[in-house]
Amino acid sequence: EPEVTQTPSHQVTQMGQEVILRCVPISNHLYFYWYRQILGQKVEFLVSFYNNEISEKSEIFDDQFSVERPDGSNFTLKIRSTKLEDSAMYFCASSGRGNGDTQYFGPGTRLTVL
Amino acid sequence: AQKVTQAQTEISVVEKEDVTLDCVYETRDTTYYLFWYKQPPSGELVFLIRRNSFDEQNEISGRYSWNFQKSTSSFNFTITASQVVDSAVYFCALSEAVTGGGNKLTFGTGTQLKVEL
Repeated sequence: EPEVTQTPSHQVTQMGQEVILRCVPISNHLYFYWYRQILGQKVEFLVSFYNNEISEKSEIFDDQFSVERPDGSNFTLKIRSTKLEDSAMYFCASSGRGNGDTQYFGPGTRLTVL
Repeated sequence: AQKVTQAQTEISVVEKEDVTLDCVYETRDTTYYLFWYKQPPSGELVFLIRRNSFDEQNEISGRYSWNFQKSTSSFNFTITASQVVDSAVYFCALSEAVTGGGNKLTFGTGTQLKVEL
């Protein structure tokens, strides 16, 4: 069964460093998303991406964040200068269509900023 | 703005008990979609069910059933004869219809279900 994959599973970085989180969505999906979950809290939407551009972003997704689909399979989230409060689990998701279609999530990347 | 409320923070039951997880949502749209996801201790988010706002039929899948009531803006989830493997955090989520582009999911705060022997 097709699934979303994410690498690395755990990333530890120093405050101020740049990190890139990688995702491989399900191959025939067209819509891609990033969410984050601070430990013990709810899952929060960061950004959605379709047709090589951002279709929606949340207030959390400020200038320190960027997304890219560098090739036909990968979808990345970059945080330029990490802060302590960026420590969280980051989930990538994809869906085949937009409106209301089921989003399938990857296993997540746990980001720890020291 | 869309909002999802899961008032039950944590529920503990003994195996084989039935348990209902509550979900109340708010939206101004007439077209929207509701979901339940399961997050086991391993941390991944597992899709359980999707419902659109025009389909109020209740659904049963094995030991799982869902009760969607637009009149009370609720989409409750019942596990019958619970098992230890059902122990997880369960999230209810909502998305509104969006033209051209993906639609974000708004999650509730989750309900931690603990099933004990």
